[in-house]
Amino acid sequence: AQSVTQLDSQVPVFEEAPVELRCNYSSSVSVYLFWYVQYPNQGLQLLLKYLSGSTLVKGINGFEAEFNKSQTSFHLRKPSVHISDTAEYFCAVSNAANFGNEKLTFGTGTRLTIIP
Amino acid sequence: GAVVSQHPSWVICKSGTSVKIECRSLDFQATTMFWYRQFPKQSLMLMATSNEGSKATYEQGVEKDKFLINHASLTLSTLTVTSAHPEDSSFYICSARPRRVYNEQFFGPGTRLTVL
Repeated sequence: AQSVTQLDSQVPVFEEAPVELRCNYSSSVSVYLFWYVQYPNQGLQLLLKYLSGSTLVKGINGFEAEFNKSQTSFHLRKPSVHISDTAEYFCAVSNAANFGNEKLTFGTGTRLTIIP
Repeated sequence: GAVVSQHPSWVICKSGTSVKIECRSLDFQATTMFWYRQFPKQSLMLMATSNEGSKATYEQGVEKDKFLINHASLTLSTLTVTSAHPEDSSFYICSARPRRVYNEQFFGPGTRLTVL
């Protein structure tokens, strides 16, 4: 079984400042890692995912995340945020061995609020 | 592309009645659909996985007789909450995985259920 911890429930950041949203996971098997964004009254949209290969993953809207196996982390970063980045961000993990049955385990989410 | 819709977006019902929620993949065929439940300020919890033409696989602790899932076609899955009670009030989200696409799910916008 896997679990995901997002320690920060809310993160306020000034516009054009950098941001890091933290995600740590726990698993006894190899995992795939994901970051999703949820805008108000909308579904979840995939920002980026790590399956294998380079540990630095670049996603949409200028976001990137780095997989750190030793620290079991997959923190999300953006060098300069915009008002439009205000949303809920979810980190998720799935069992890499369950090919074709990719059940996701989600963290509790981080509310990113951009301050003008 | 890869749009998933849910209907209704919100519903209010009386205790004891049944409510059906539809999840449709609008521009792709979904061999697998997932149903999640999200409580306020909590993460998404997977309820069940459904594959087209077969019975849904429910997560531990989810009552299959209470939450009936039907995946009758490659573009439609339904979740019926039978004999709903106030504790069933929640945000229900579906996701769909396209045929031959792995490790990515496309999420619907969710359905807010309130049971009075």
